[in-house]
Amino acid sequence: SQTIHQWPATLVQPVGSPLSLECTVEGTSNPNLYWYRQAAGRGLQLLFYSVGIGQISSEVPQNLSASRPQDRQFILSSKKLLLSDSGFYLCACLGTGALATQYFGPGTRLTVL
Amino acid sequence: GQNIDQPTEMTATEGAIVQINCTYQTSGFNGLFWYQQHAGEAPTFLSYNVLDGLEEKGRFSSFLSRSKGYSYLLLKELQMKDSASYLCAVRGAGAGKSTFGDGTTLTVKP
Repeated sequence: SQTIHQWPATLVQPVGSPLSLECTVEGTSNPNLYWYRQAAGRGLQLLFYSVGIGQISSEVPQNLSASRPQDRQFILSSKKLLLSDSGFYLCACLGTGALATQYFGPGTRLTVL
Repeated sequence: GQNIDQPTEMTATEGAIVQINCTYQTSGFNGLFWYQQHAGEAPTFLSYNVLDGLEEKGRFSSFLSRSKGYSYLLLKELQMKDSASYLCAVRGAGAGKSTFGDGTTLTVKP
């Protein structure tokens, strides 16, 4: 089964600073990968998804970007953070099979001050 | 697009049964999923429905009516550890993308 690693677990950054969050996946190859953000008391908002190396689709216009330099590596970045970028960032991987569920990494809690 | 509604909060007593409802409007449907999320943690998968009817997994059951755009999660024999947020998610067409509701925070009291 898949295992998803995310780091760091928590991060406090000043407004205007850059961001790089990394997600790596074990136990599968060529997975669909997703970045979600969760604001306090809210559901998960899909930010980006990727179906393969170098293939990134953005779901909402924002201050963030994503890259997939390797099959099992997914990176979320920003050049200049905004206060509104604060939240709980979750990386997810789609399991195998026609009715596969999504598996989530442990998440990164980002606070922008 | 997708629109998903579920109650914000519910409270129930230990040992009781609770039903969490979810209604959705969707432009494409490839399954409805339920996740449990404890505070500060990532969601974990509970159950899914693709066809109409009831799916049972131990203390948890989930029901789907595609014609009504309606699902519910049923939790039996509630335990204190069931206190968590329960997220309803609809998978649309293409790339396994899912739209999530805002979640229902369940508090189980002794």
